[in-house]
Amino acid sequence: QIQLVQSGPELKKPGESLKISCKASGYTFTDYAMQWVKQAPGKGLQYMGWINTQTGKPTYADDFKERFVFSLETSASTAYLQINNLKNEDTATYFCARGFILGDYWGQGVMVTVSS
Amino acid sequence: DVVMTQTPVSLSLAIGQPASISCKSSQSLLGTSGKTFLNWILQRPGQSPKRLIYQVSKLYSEVPDRFSGSGSETEFTLKISRVEAEDLGVYYCWQGTHFPHTFGSGTKLEIK
Repeated sequence: QIQLVQSGPELKKPGESLKISCKASGYTFTDYAMQWVKQAPGKGLQYMGWINTQTGKPTYADDFKERFVFSLETSASTAYLQINNLKNEDTATYFCARGFILGDYWGQGVMVTVSS
Repeated sequence: DVVMTQTPVSLSLAIGQPASISCKSSQSLLGTSGKTFLNWILQRPGQSPKRLIYQVSKLYSEVPDRFSGSGSETEFTLKISRVEAEDLGVYYCWQGTHFPHTFGSGTKLEIK
C-alpha cells in the first residue's frame, strides 16, 4: 500500500538547522511530485511548496524562500525538508503530501520544536 | 494568493444529522485545462490529513458516499448526508489551481 513515512520529532535551538525526511513506498517515487505543508500548533495548514521528483527542481511559496530547502534522494524514494537558521516561529508539524495538485497521501507529520 | 474562506468555523451535530460546509475562493478555480482543482481533506484529532474529495466532486474510493462535493468557479460545498461518529475532526478545502496552493481555515465538526 502507498505510504509516506516521515522521520521523528525534533527539538532544536534557535539558529540550528535540521533535515527531516519523507520516505515513500508503494508507488514509483518519480511518478508524483512531493509537496510540503506546515501546521503551527493549534493552527491551520500552510502550503510551503513542492519538488519535482523527476528533475529535482523545488518551487517555494513566498514565505518559505529564504531558509527552507527541498531535496531528494531518488534512489531511496525519499524527499527531504531542510530548515536553516531555525526560529521560534518554525515550531510546527511539517507534513509531506504526494502529488503537485492532488495531495492524495500524506505523511504522519514531523513535530519540530524550536526553543532555547 | 488565492484566499479560501470556509464557513462555518465549527459545527456541532448529532449522529444522523446532515452537515454542510462552504468554501469560497477569491478567484475562479477553473484552470486553463478546464479542470477545477478544489479538494477537501479531513484531519481527525492528532492525525495527519486524509483525502476526501478532489476536483470538486470526485470521491476517493474509500470515502463513504454520504460525503458529496459540489460547486464551481468560486463557490464550493462539502455535504455529509448523515453524520457519523468517525466524521469528527477539522475539514479543510484547498485549491491547487493557482500557485501557491492555499487552504481554507478549516471547519471543526464536533459530535453532540
